[in-house]
Amino acid sequence: EIVMTQSPATLSVSPGEGASLSCRASQFISSDLAWYQQKPGQAPRLLIYGAFVRATGVPARFSGSGSGTEFTLTISSLQSEDFAIYYCQQYNNWTPFTFGQGTKLEIK
Amino acid sequence: QVQLQESGPGLVKPSETLSLTCSVSGGSMSPYFWSWVRQPPGKGLEWIGYISYSGNSNYNPSLNSRVTISLDTPKNQFSLRLSSVTAADTAVYFCARGLDCSSSICNKSDQDALEIWGQGTTVTVSS
Repeated sequence: EIVMTQSPATLSVSPGEGASLSCRASQFISSDLAWYQQKPGQAPRLLIYGAFVRATGVPARFSGSGSGTEFTLTISSLQSEDFAIYYCQQYNNWTPFTFGQGTKLEIK
Repeated sequence: QVQLQESGPGLVKPSETLSLTCSVSGGSMSPYFWSWVRQPPGKGLEWIGYISYSGNSNYNPSLNSRVTISLDTPKNQFSLRLSSVTAADTAVYFCARGLDCSSSICNKSDQDALEIWGQGTTVTVSS
């Protein structure tokens, strides 16, 4: 099973500032990586797929980068609605498809 | 606009079988991948398995012997059955559809990214 490790577990940022969330895969996954945002009581929302492609309707302040084993989700100029939990997920190898443990982005 | 809705019992007794259905509205089941994902209380996401529009399925090895995902294309539904449940199976269960690569810039593998989700249904395993 490919293990996805996200860091940090919690990130405290002030509105208007930027944030960078990291995700590391235990083995090579090419660019087969997605990022999701989840708010309390809601289903996850697809933000990024293919490591850097924004899903339909996702604001341009969200960007993804990386390939291989190291990936980053960057959110520029945080808005109040961006404070949530973010998960990365690999779909390169069905062993099964695995999620990271999540990074909670909270208001500082 | 495609929407997914989970349905099924909210309470299941230990050792019994959990059965959930996901109803798809506003779109076709072809040519997508259809998944089940669960989230135990206060924890992260776990991919249970998926089935393709052609009926090929893959299951999480940790659940493999207990899980079955099936497709009912005429009814625009797909289902999850998880047998011999225990308290560890208590979770919010989500159904989801893979990415539509006909209208997006994507590679074939990107079809496995989960683009559309149901709202989730809470299943508690308890006697």
